[in-house]
Amino acid sequence: RKEVEQDPGPFNVPEGATVAFNCTYSNSASQSFFWYRQDCRKEPKLLMSVYSSGNEDGRFTAQLNRASQYISLLIRDSKLSDSATYLCVVILTGGFKTIFGAGTRLFVKA
Amino acid sequence: NAGVTQTPKFRVLKTGQSMTLLCAQDMNHEYMYWYRQDPGMGLRLIHYSVGEGTTAKGEVPDGYNVSRLKKQNFLLGLESAAPSQTSVYFCASSYGLAGARGNEQFFGPGTRLTVL
Repeated sequence: RKEVEQDPGPFNVPEGATVAFNCTYSNSASQSFFWYRQDCRKEPKLLMSVYSSGNEDGRFTAQLNRASQYISLLIRDSKLSDSATYLCVVILTGGFKTIFGAGTRLFVKA
Repeated sequence: NAGVTQTPKFRVLKTGQSMTLLCAQDMNHEYMYWYRQDPGMGLRLIHYSVGEGTTAKGEVPDGYNVSRLKKQNFLLGLESAAPSQTSVYFCASSYGLAGARGNEQFFGPGTRLTVL
């Protein structure tokens, strides 16, 4: 079983739609959580950190559920430019083990 | 600021050849990392460095060596390339320990390596 699991998708949604991704992790020593965005053939870039209290950045909302060991990303009012792969990232206590999910592919269509 | 740069961008090797990938950052970051990314898998950590002159093994270190002689540079060497090392290699850096607030990892553009 992978330590961080994501639905690979692809998710195909129309512009303006709301889409949600989940990511589950198996290691209870997981300390920090992030969502990264990766465009085709490009490097990953930090989208947002995920805090226990949840956090929002414009159209993006991230949530953490430690009891069930998953994090989520909600994108509202999808734009064509949101088309990308979204990587779930978990860092274990101590900071020296970063685990990347394989990513969820999103296509936003006009 | 250029951020994190990597050279070369592309490379094709024959089995058994050696090469060095160069990563440079101009953000004065202490921590640097080398990852590989393969289809259907998340990025996996090869080696990392917590400061000039230090290196440590990550999740998949076999077949690779690294050096951090200068704070701004982190080199990844393939001693004897194998087809299993065909991958996209990303370098990253962070100011402090990844995971702490404010210590996001910044990635370079990647090197696409094919080993025939």
